[in-house]
Amino acid sequence: NAGVTQTPKFQVLKTGQSMTLQCAQDMNHNSMYWYRQDPGMGLRLIYYSASEGTTDKGEVPNGYNVSRLNKREFSLRLESAAPSQTSVYFCASSEEGNRSYEQYFGPGTRLTVT
Amino acid sequence: AQSVTQLGSHVSVSEGALVLLRCNYSSSVPPYLFWYVQYPNQGLQLLLKYTSAATLVKGINGFEAEFKKSETSFHLTKPSAHMSDAAEYFCAVSKGTGGFKTIFGAGTRLFVKA
Repeated sequence: NAGVTQTPKFQVLKTGQSMTLQCAQDMNHNSMYWYRQDPGMGLRLIYYSASEGTTDKGEVPNGYNVSRLNKREFSLRLESAAPSQTSVYFCASSEEGNRSYEQYFGPGTRLTVT
Repeated sequence: AQSVTQLGSHVSVSEGALVLLRCNYSSSVPPYLFWYVQYPNQGLQLLLKYTSAATLVKGINGFEAEFKKSETSFHLTKPSAHMSDAAEYFCAVSKGTGGFKTIFGAGTRLFVKA
C-alpha cells in the first residue's frame, strides 16, 4: 500500500495564481484532512471531510477550497495565492472505528508564494 | 475547548541520555492523546496513543508515555537517546470520535549530540 500520496512535492507560485494540491489514500479511510504547517505553530486544520460527499471548515479555511472527489481523493485549491499561504501542506486520513483514531499523513507539499 | 502545550520548542540531549519531552493538555472530556514524530522532509507518523486503556503506553522505537490525569500531562520518554531519534515531535489531543477534533501542539525539536 502506498498509504497517503500527495502531488506535487514542491511548488512556487506568483501572487494571484491558482493551483490545486492533490491527495489520495488507498486505505479505504472515511475521513480526510488538509493541514498547513508553519514554524512554531504546529499543524493547523484547513478543511476536513468526515466522509465521502461532505466537507467542513477547520481552523484556517480562508483562501482555500476543497473537493472530496470520491472516497480516495481529497483536493485543496488555492484560487488566488497570497504570500501568507507559503507553507508546507499535509494531507491525512483516518478511519473512524474501534480504537482507530490516529491519522496517517502524506509526505507534504512545500508551497512558496512570491 | 481542547488545547495542547508542549514545553520547550527545542530539546538537546547527548546520545545515550534520557529523552523527556513534555506535553500538557486541557480537555473537557476524557481525551485521546497521541505523540507523532516528523523526520526531516517527511510527514508525521504515529509514535504512540492513549485511548483510556493502560496509563503507560509503549510506542515504536523504544518510546513510551504516561497519562497522568491529575497533572493533565502526557510526557514522552525514552531511556537512551539514539542519533536516529533526532526529529520533531508533536503531542496531540482528540475527543476520540471525529479526527477533525484533533489539536496538535506546536512541536518540540529533539537534537541528539554525539
